[in-house]
Amino acid sequence: DSGVTQTPKHLITATGQRVTLRCSPRSGDLSVYWYQQSLDQGLQFLIQYYNGEERAKGNILERFSAQQFPDLHSELNLSSLELGDSALYFCASSAPPGQGLDEQFFGPGTRLTVL
Amino acid sequence: AQTVTQSQPEMSVQEAETVTLSCTYDTSESNYYLFWYKQPPSRQMILVIRQEAYKQQNATENRFSVNFQKAAKSFSLKISDSQLGDTAMYFCAFMKQGNAGKSTFGDGTTLTVKP
Repeated sequence: DSGVTQTPKHLITATGQRVTLRCSPRSGDLSVYWYQQSLDQGLQFLIQYYNGEERAKGNILERFSAQQFPDLHSELNLSSLELGDSALYFCASSAPPGQGLDEQFFGPGTRLTVL
Repeated sequence: AQTVTQSQPEMSVQEAETVTLSCTYDTSESNYYLFWYKQPPSRQMILVIRQEAYKQQNATENRFSVNFQKAAKSFSLKISDSQLGDTAMYFCAFMKQGNAGKSTFGDGTTLTVKP
């Protein structure tokens, strides 16, 4: 158990809908990262937050948005869903600089199926 | 930008034998980390081994070891005494040293250990 939690585990929805994925980082971690893994592919970086502020952005679609709240949990919002958005979405967290190994701890992922 | 390449989409090995998974990367950074992650059918991302670029000594974790060639930008994973539980997808990943920024992943190698 990495200490990173993600809810829900599975999500099935229809095209055009909007969903919210939730992530709670490990205790003490300030950074949260979101990754997308399409079928049998590598993880693609979407976005990073550090202590509530957006830190880095990857190839995140305009239909997707994220935020990190004062309690440090993060939500990834996916809207106008398309079939191609079906994927496993991972959240990861890491310790503040100088306060631990430079390493990301991954949650169990949320499997999104768009029908 | 960093790139990570895993040139072997699939590999197989007999139980108790040794197998080596290949990874090459491209970066202009001097200080960074390299990781191997295991993703079993449960889809959880499990850290197998990490290597700091400034260390010349190759990392070892029990049956897992790496061959890190910094000049060649090569980072292979050797699994000794392969076990059925090693069957999984393996990802090579790169991360800049510093504030634990995002990781860049390869496309993965599916390893099957045969009895």
